[in-house]
Amino acid sequence: QQQVKQSPQSLIVQKGGISIINCAYENTAFDYFPWYQQFPGKGPALLIAIRPDVSEKKEGRFTISFNKSAKQFSLHIMDSQPGDSATYFCAASMGNNDMRFGAGTRLTVKP
Amino acid sequence: DVKVTQSSRYLVKRTGEKVFLECVQDMDHENMFWYRQDPGLGLRLIYFSYDVKMKEKGDIPEGYSVSREKKERFSLILESASTNQTSMYLCASSRDRGDIQYFGAGTRLSVL
Repeated sequence: QQQVKQSPQSLIVQKGGISIINCAYENTAFDYFPWYQQFPGKGPALLIAIRPDVSEKKEGRFTISFNKSAKQFSLHIMDSQPGDSATYFCAASMGNNDMRFGAGTRLTVKP
Repeated sequence: DVKVTQSSRYLVKRTGEKVFLECVQDMDHENMFWYRQDPGLGLRLIYFSYDVKMKEKGDIPEGYSVSREKKERFSLILESASTNQTSMYLCASSRDRGDIQYFGAGTRLSVL
Protein backbone atom coordinates (compact mmCIF):
# COMPACT_ATOMS: atom_id res chain seq x y z
CA GLN A 1 0.00 0.00 0.00
CA GLN A 2 1.52 3.28 -1.10
CA GLN A 3 0.64 5.89 1.47
CA VAL A 4 2.74 8.61 -0.13
CA LYS A 5 2.43 9.20 -3.86
CA GLN A 6 5.22 11.12 -5.56
CA SER A 7 5.39 12.68 -9.01
CA PRO A 8 6.94 12.98 -11.48
CA GLN A 9 9.08 9.86 -11.67
CA SER A 10 11.73 11.79 -13.59
CA LEU A 11 12.35 15.45 -14.28
CA ILE A 12 14.72 17.31 -16.56
CA VAL A 13 15.35 21.00 -15.89
CA GLN A 14 17.70 23.52 -17.41
CA LYS A 15 20.35 25.11 -15.22
CA GLY A 16 18.85 28.11 -13.45
CA GLY A 17 15.30 26.80 -13.71
CA ILE A 18 12.89 25.76 -10.98
CA SER A 19 12.48 22.08 -10.16
CA ILE A 20 9.17 21.08 -8.59
CA ILE A 21 8.41 17.66 -7.13
CA ASN A 22 5.02 16.87 -5.69
CA CYS A 23 3.80 14.42 -3.07
CA ALA A 24 0.36 13.50 -1.81
CA TYR A 25 -0.48 11.52 1.27
CA GLU A 26 -3.56 9.75 2.56
CA ASN A 27 -3.18 9.51 6.31
CA THR A 28 -4.12 12.77 8.05
CA ALA A 29 -2.29 11.60 11.17
CA PHE A 30 1.10 12.10 9.51
CA ASP A 31 2.92 14.89 11.31
CA TYR A 32 6.43 14.93 9.89
CA PHE A 33 7.30 15.36 6.21
CA PRO A 34 10.97 15.09 5.27
CA TRP A 35 12.62 15.15 1.88
CA TYR A 36 15.68 13.02 1.20
CA GLN A 37 18.30 13.52 -1.49
CA GLN A 38 20.25 10.61 -2.92
CA PHE A 39 23.29 10.94 -5.15
CA PRO A 40 24.45 7.98 -7.26
CA GLY A 41 26.35 5.47 -5.18
CA LYS A 42 25.19 7.00 -1.90
CA GLY A 43 22.39 6.40 0.52
CA PRO A 44 19.56 8.94 0.90
CA ALA A 45 20.29 11.86 3.20
CA LEU A 46 17.89 14.28 4.84
CA LEU A 47 17.57 17.48 2.81
CA ILE A 48 14.79 19.45 4.46
CA ALA A 49 11.73 18.66 6.54
CA ILE A 50 8.46 20.30 7.62
CA ARG A 51 5.76 19.77 10.21
CA PRO A 52 2.10 20.59 9.41
CA ASP A 53 1.92 23.64 11.66
CA VAL A 54 3.58 25.74 8.94
CA SER A 55 2.76 26.08 5.24
CA GLU A 56 6.27 26.69 3.98
CA LYS A 57 9.86 26.12 4.97
CA LYS A 58 12.84 27.48 3.12
CA GLU A 59 16.49 26.52 3.38
CA GLY A 60 18.66 28.23 0.82
CA ARG A 61 17.43 27.30 -2.65
CA PHE A 62 15.18 24.52 -1.29
CA THR A 63 11.60 25.19 -0.22
CA ILE A 64 8.89 22.86 1.02
CA SER A 65 5.32 24.01 0.42
CA PHE A 66 2.70 22.26 2.51
CA ASN A 67 -1.06 22.19 1.89
CA LYS A 68 -2.75 20.44 4.78
CA SER A 69 -6.29 20.60 3.40
CA ALA A 70 -5.23 19.09 0.09
CA LYS A 71 -2.91 16.57 1.81
CA GLN A 72 -0.10 17.59 -0.50
CA PHE A 73 3.42 18.87 -0.13
CA SER A 74 6.04 19.79 -2.66
CA LEU A 75 9.74 20.50 -2.98
CA HIS A 76 10.85 23.51 -4.99
CA ILE A 77 14.48 23.90 -6.01
CA MET A 78 15.17 27.43 -7.17
CA ASP A 79 18.03 28.25 -9.54
CA SER A 80 18.60 24.53 -10.12
CA GLN A 81 22.22 23.52 -10.64
CA PRO A 82 23.82 20.45 -12.25
CA GLY A 83 25.03 19.50 -8.77
CA ASP A 84 21.38 19.13 -7.72
CA SER A 85 21.03 16.18 -10.09
CA ALA A 86 19.98 13.34 -7.80
CA THR A 87 17.03 11.22 -6.80
CA TYR A 88 14.65 12.90 -4.36
CA PHE A 89 12.31 11.06 -2.02
CA CYS A 90 9.47 12.56 -0.06
CA ALA A 91 8.38 10.80 3.11
CA ALA A 92 5.84 11.03 5.91
CA SER A 93 5.63 9.68 9.42
CA MET A 94 3.50 10.03 12.52
CA GLY A 95 4.64 9.78 16.10
CA ASN A 96 6.48 6.61 16.86
CA ASN A 97 5.53 4.87 13.66
CA ASP A 98 7.38 3.94 10.52
CA MET A 99 8.32 6.46 7.91
CA ARG A 100 6.60 5.94 4.54
CA PHE A 101 8.54 6.92 1.44
CA GLY A 102 7.41 8.07 -1.98
CA ALA A 103 8.65 6.25 -5.08
CA GLY A 104 11.33 8.85 -5.83
CA THR A 105 12.00 11.43 -8.53
CA ARG A 106 15.12 11.35 -10.62
CA LEU A 107 16.13 14.96 -11.28
CA THR A 108 18.54 15.87 -14.05
CA VAL A 109 19.69 19.48 -14.34
CA LYS A 110 21.19 20.19 -17.75
CA PRO A 111 24.04 22.71 -17.96
CA ASP B 1 28.10 12.73 12.58
CA VAL B 2 25.98 9.62 12.41
CA LYS B 3 27.61 6.87 10.51
CA VAL B 4 25.84 3.84 9.11
CA THR B 5 28.22 1.40 7.51
CA GLN B 6 27.22 -1.43 5.22
CA SER B 7 29.86 -4.10 4.91
CA SER B 8 29.75 -4.54 1.14
CA ARG B 9 29.11 -2.11 -1.70
CA TYR B 10 28.69 -4.84 -4.33
CA LEU B 11 27.89 -8.52 -4.04
CA VAL B 12 27.39 -11.17 -6.69
CA LYS B 13 25.81 -14.43 -5.57
CA ARG B 14 24.40 -17.56 -7.15
CA THR B 15 20.79 -18.65 -6.96
CA GLY B 16 20.23 -20.71 -3.83
CA GLU B 17 23.14 -19.28 -1.87
CA LYS B 18 22.69 -17.96 1.64
CA VAL B 19 23.54 -14.26 1.71
CA PHE B 20 24.38 -12.07 4.68
CA LEU B 21 24.24 -8.28 4.49
CA GLU B 22 25.73 -6.51 7.49
CA CYS B 23 25.03 -3.04 8.83
CA VAL B 24 26.63 -1.19 11.74
CA GLN B 25 25.66 2.19 13.21
CA ASP B 26 27.68 4.25 15.65
CA MET B 27 25.04 6.53 17.18
CA ASP B 28 23.51 4.21 19.74
CA HIS B 29 20.19 4.35 17.85
CA GLU B 30 17.37 2.13 19.05
CA ASN B 31 15.85 1.57 15.63
CA MET B 32 17.37 -0.02 12.56
CA PHE B 33 15.82 -0.73 9.19
CA TRP B 34 16.44 -2.68 6.03
CA TYR B 35 15.01 -1.43 2.73
CA ARG B 36 15.32 -2.50 -0.85
CA GLN B 37 15.39 0.13 -3.56
CA ASP B 38 14.15 -0.63 -7.07
CA PRO B 39 13.55 1.85 -9.91
CA GLY B 40 10.03 3.23 -9.84
CA LEU B 41 9.23 1.51 -6.55
CA GLY B 42 11.15 3.73 -4.17
CA LEU B 43 12.21 2.41 -0.79
CA ARG B 44 10.35 -0.63 0.44
CA LEU B 45 10.74 -1.70 4.03
CA ILE B 46 11.81 -5.30 4.49
CA TYR B 47 12.30 -5.56 8.26
CA PHE B 48 13.04 -3.29 11.16
CA SER B 49 14.23 -3.68 14.71
CA TYR B 50 13.42 -1.43 17.64
CA ASP B 51 15.65 -3.13 20.17
CA VAL B 52 18.23 -5.86 20.50
CA LYS B 53 16.76 -9.23 19.54
CA MET B 54 13.49 -7.54 18.56
CA LYS B 55 12.29 -7.43 14.98
CA GLU B 56 9.16 -6.69 13.02
CA LYS B 57 8.18 -7.42 9.46
CA GLY B 58 7.94 -4.57 7.03
CA ASP B 59 6.07 -4.48 3.76
CA ILE B 60 8.05 -7.15 1.87
CA PRO B 61 9.57 -9.64 4.35
CA GLU B 62 9.11 -12.76 2.23
CA GLY B 63 12.39 -14.48 1.46
CA TYR B 64 14.30 -12.49 4.07
CA SER B 65 15.15 -12.75 7.74
CA VAL B 66 17.10 -10.50 10.11
CA SER B 67 19.26 -10.69 13.18
CA ARG B 68 20.06 -8.10 15.80
CA GLU B 69 22.29 -9.54 18.49
CA LYS B 70 23.93 -6.22 19.38
CA LYS B 71 22.44 -2.75 19.40
CA GLU B 72 24.80 -1.40 16.79
CA ARG B 73 24.53 -4.26 14.30
CA PHE B 74 21.60 -5.35 12.12
CA SER B 75 21.97 -8.15 9.62
CA LEU B 76 19.77 -9.04 6.67
CA ILE B 77 19.76 -12.68 5.61
CA LEU B 78 18.62 -14.15 2.33
CA GLU B 79 18.18 -17.82 3.19
CA SER B 80 18.16 -18.96 -0.44
CA ALA B 81 18.88 -16.15 -2.85
CA SER B 82 16.73 -15.84 -5.95
CA THR B 83 17.13 -13.72 -9.05
CA ASN B 84 14.18 -11.50 -8.05
CA GLN B 85 16.18 -10.43 -5.02
CA THR B 86 18.66 -8.63 -7.24
CA SER B 87 18.41 -5.07 -5.94
CA MET B 88 19.99 -2.25 -3.99
CA TYR B 89 19.72 -2.85 -0.25
CA LEU B 90 19.82 0.08 2.15
CA CYS B 91 20.25 -0.01 5.90
CA ALA B 92 19.12 2.90 8.09
CA SER B 93 18.97 3.79 11.74
CA SER B 94 17.02 6.32 13.79
CA ARG B 95 16.69 7.41 17.38
CA ASP B 96 12.88 7.17 17.36
CA ARG B 97 10.76 5.21 14.95
CA GLY B 98 9.22 8.19 13.16
CA ASP B 99 12.37 10.26 13.37
CA ILE B 100 15.03 11.17 10.84
CA GLN B 101 16.60 8.08 9.36
CA TYR B 102 20.29 7.90 8.57
CA PHE B 103 21.21 5.64 5.69
CA GLY B 104 24.22 3.63 4.72
CA ALA B 105 25.66 3.82 1.21
CA GLY B 106 23.84 0.67 0.13
CA THR B 107 24.77 -2.80 -1.09
CA ARG B 108 24.06 -3.61 -4.70
CA LEU B 109 23.30 -7.33 -4.81
CA SER B 110 23.20 -9.31 -8.02
CA VAL B 111 21.85 -12.85 -7.89
CA LEU B 112 22.76 -14.88 -10.96
